[in-house]
Amino acid sequence: DQQVKQNSPSLSVQEGRISILNCDYTNSMFDYFLWYKKYPAEGPTFLISISSIKDKNEDGRFTVFLNKSAKHLSLHIVPSQPGDSAVYFCAASAQTDSWGKLQFGAGTQVVVTP
Amino acid sequence: GAGVSQTPSNKVTEKGKYVELRCDPISGHTALYWYRQSLGQGPEFLIYFQGTGAADDSGLPNDRFFAVRPEGSVSTLKIQRTERGDSAVYLCASSSQPNQPQHFGDGTRLSIL
Repeated sequence: DQQVKQNSPSLSVQEGRISILNCDYTNSMFDYFLWYKKYPAEGPTFLISISSIKDKNEDGRFTVFLNKSAKHLSLHIVPSQPGDSAVYFCAASAQTDSWGKLQFGAGTQVVVTP
Repeated sequence: GAGVSQTPSNKVTEKGKYVELRCDPISGHTALYWYRQSLGQGPEFLIYFQGTGAADDSGLPNDRFFAVRPEGSVSTLKIQRTERGDSAVYLCASSSQPNQPQHFGDGTRLSIL
C-alpha cells in the first residue's frame, strides 16, 4: 500500500526556470516530510524538510510547501541548474512511528536542459 | 567529516548463500536505519535502531533477514538462504535523533544469481 505517491515519473525543465515537483500522501498521521535528491550509484542526499506545524520552508534555491488539508506537498527549485538533474524522492514519517520509519515515493527524474 | 560508510559496495552471490552487509554510521549518530531499493522504486524501510536496540523492525520481509547493532555504532544486516528476489540496493542511513534528517550511505548492490 503506497502511502506516498509521486505521480510524475519525469520532468524536463530549462536551465534558469523553476522546477516544481509534487508529492501526495494518504496517511493523515504523517507529520514530518523530507525531500531527497539522488544521483546514479550514490545514496539519497537530504535536501530540505518540513514539519506539519508549518506550511512553507525555504533553504536557498529550494522551497517546500505543505498543504495538509489536501495531503500534498511540493518542492520548488529556482533557478534550476544543470547539477539539479537527478532523481528526487519525497518521504514522510509519523511521530507514532517515532519518526524513524521513512516512507518514500517512487521518485521523479528531473532533467535540466541548457 | 565522514559520512555513512557501507561495505561491500557490491556483492554477488549464489541463491541459498548467506550474506552480511555492514554499515558504519556518522560518528555520534544514535539512530541507524536500513532500507532496500529496487529499480524504479523509492527506498523501502526495513529496520531502525535507537542505540543498540531495534526500535522498529516491521519492514523486515521475513525471518531470513536479521540485523544487529551490538555496540550502538556499526550495524550488520544479515540475510540467510538468499533468494533471487533479495537482489536490490541495500541502503543504510543514520541521524542524530529519529526526528532529524536521515543521512544515507551509497548502498550495497546485492545480486543473487
